[in-house]
Amino acid sequence: EVQLVESGGGLVQPGGSLRLSCAASGFTFSDHYMDWVRQAPGKGLEWVGRTRNKANSYTTEYAASVQGRFTISRDDSKNSLYLQMNSLKTEDTAMYYCARITTTHKRADYWGQGTLVTVSS
Amino acid sequence: DIQMTQSPSSLSASVGDRVTITCRASQDVSNYLAWVQQKPGKAPKSLIYGTSRLQSGVPSRFSGTGSGTEFTLTISSLQPEDFAIYFCHQYNTYPVTFGGGTKIEIK
Repeated sequence: EVQLVESGGGLVQPGGSLRLSCAASGFTFSDHYMDWVRQAPGKGLEWVGRTRNKANSYTTEYAASVQGRFTISRDDSKNSLYLQMNSLKTEDTAMYYCARITTTHKRADYWGQGTLVTVSS
Repeated sequence: DIQMTQSPSSLSASVGDRVTITCRASQDVSNYLAWVQQKPGKAPKSLIYGTSRLQSGVPSRFSGTGSGTEFTLTISSLQPEDFAIYFCHQYNTYPVTFGGGTKIEIK
């Protein structure tokens, strides 16, 4: 069974940093691209970014709203995905989900339960 | 960025009704269009990908059609567990972009 479990969320002041983690199990993590997607309270879904797999040099893509502030990384030996968030703004307040990307169609098929990040003074 | 516009933003329907949601893309996304379902306080769940392919385990009352810039999600006979928010998203071009969502409420 595919499982994705996010952690690391919490309350942080504007300008601060936070590192989210996503622990994966039930599939060969190293084969898959992985995404982060967020959802502000009461709002829709917003794609944050993607990391490709080793075969594609672990390259990354980011939404313009987080480019230069957020960094996605992964540790295949630990079946884990990370999101380093720096220079946080109040508008980054959201539930953050990790999502597995299929190897063929390159779309999200499984999502974690999310971890809540609140940016407030 | 490709903008995804869903309509309606909400609708009221009864169990057994046929429901159709529309998603329009500002540019051609080929058939790289997916639908997800989200219930209150829960993670999104994949329903349909590649415009019309059902995610494993999704009931056959869900179907998707379209191509290019106009797509639809149809629920042939609404069930109590289908009351939720539905989002379309395109994955043809970076950044991946989502529609604003359609909330299906009980009439």
